[in-house]
Amino acid sequence: DAGVTQSPTHLIKTRGQHVTLRCSPISGHKSVSWYQQVLGQGPQFIFQYYEKEERGRGNFPDRFSARQFPNYSSELNVNALLLGDSALYLCASSLGVLTDTQYFGPGTRLTVL
Amino acid sequence: SQQGEEDPQALSIQEGENATMNCSYKTSINNLQWYRQNSGRGLVHLILIRSNEREKHSGRLRVTLDTSKKSSSLLITASRAADTASYFCATDYSGTYKYIFGTGTRLKVLA
Repeated sequence: DAGVTQSPTHLIKTRGQHVTLRCSPISGHKSVSWYQQVLGQGPQFIFQYYEKEERGRGNFPDRFSARQFPNYSSELNVNALLLGDSALYLCASSLGVLTDTQYFGPGTRLTVL
Repeated sequence: SQQGEEDPQALSIQEGENATMNCSYKTSINNLQWYRQNSGRGLVHLILIRSNEREKHSGRLRVTLDTSKKSSSLLITASRAADTASYFCATDYSGTYKYIFGTGTRLKVLA
């Protein structure tokens, strides 16, 4: 079975631009979560979606938004990019809500210049 | 910070030795999970321990949970060079939909 997939693998943007990151969960998983990981730190929780509804949000500005589609795939959007948004963005899927084991994708490396 | 605390931050051991990493958290939890990350890539799930469990084993891994001290430990026995990675604990705090990761322990196993 395929694991969690993310696209693109790498992305370079300039300040002020907008970016969309995509995630496909493991087949049968209905929950997708997004994390930001800055170099040298642990992942920080951004969003959790379950059954196409937002169930949790971390301490991130409104420039960050996400959605989940009927096929349970998800997009993370970031507007008005800042240099500090440069990070590895990780997507995780699970069968249900956060109390289940989360399986992570390989991540999207975003560089903002 | 919204993260838990792990110690040590870095650990260097010889192949065949045991490695112990500790994780502390702040409020009541439903479960605690340990993950491994190689060279800034995706995280690999190692083990999940629920709040009503005290110890779990998986192969060379042993995890303990002490909810009274709000702490957990991960023991890797008979370490191998391939165990070189960063290890993170993560907790879902009861009553929230947030999943909090620790700061991580960078383990280096020398051949």
